[in-house]
Amino acid sequence: EVQLVESGGALVQPGGSLRLSCAASGFSFRNFAMSWVRQAPGKGLEWVANIPQDGSENKYVASVRGRFTISRDNAKNSLYLQMNSLRAEDTALYYCARDSHYGSKDYWGQGTLVTVSS
Amino acid sequence: QSVLTQPPSVSGAPGQRVTISCTGSSSNIGAGYDVNWYQQLPGTAPKLLIYGNIYRPSGVPDRFSGSKSGTSASLAITGLQAEDEADYYCQSYDASLIGVFFGGGTKLTVL
Repeated sequence: EVQLVESGGALVQPGGSLRLSCAASGFSFRNFAMSWVRQAPGKGLEWVANIPQDGSENKYVASVRGRFTISRDNAKNSLYLQMNSLRAEDTALYYCARDSHYGSKDYWGQGTLVTVSS
Repeated sequence: QSVLTQPPSVSGAPGQRVTISCTGSSSNIGAGYDVNWYQQLPGTAPKLLIYGNIYRPSGVPDRFSGSKSGTSASLAITGLQAEDEADYYCQSYDASLIGVFFGGGTKLTVL
């Protein structure tokens, strides 16, 4: 059974940093690209970042480029999101998702909540 | 303004058919990029409903179907059931903005 379990969400002050983790199991993690998708309270889905199988050519939504870094450790079956210079507008539930055919996200975790507030 | 535009809400009675549109542009859907659809039940993570414009993952009922034409795509749900009440999102890639985008979401109410 495919499982994605996010962790690391917390309350953080504006300008602060946080590192999210996603533990994957039930599939060959090294064979799939992965994404982070977020959802602000009461709002829609927003793709944040994507990393291919080998960790090269990562892509980001414009609003986080230069502040967030996506990475992975295929030996540990883990995905990460390093978030720096956090802003109030980064407050959201952050989902880890597996990338699949036609650019779809076929499996999602349950999310980890990041709140940026003083 | 979203890159992919969906109606904020749709509704239908049990047993009826509803459609949800997803309107893009020449840099995303119109450029040939595929559209995927997700269902998000209240308080849960999104679930893949349709991928590659028309394909259903294993376990998704055939009451759900997708289509694409020009710069738009649509999700159709037939034989509406109370359990279909959820938020629905389309998703595609935009070559000008160089990224993945979701539509703003459509709330389906089963009357």
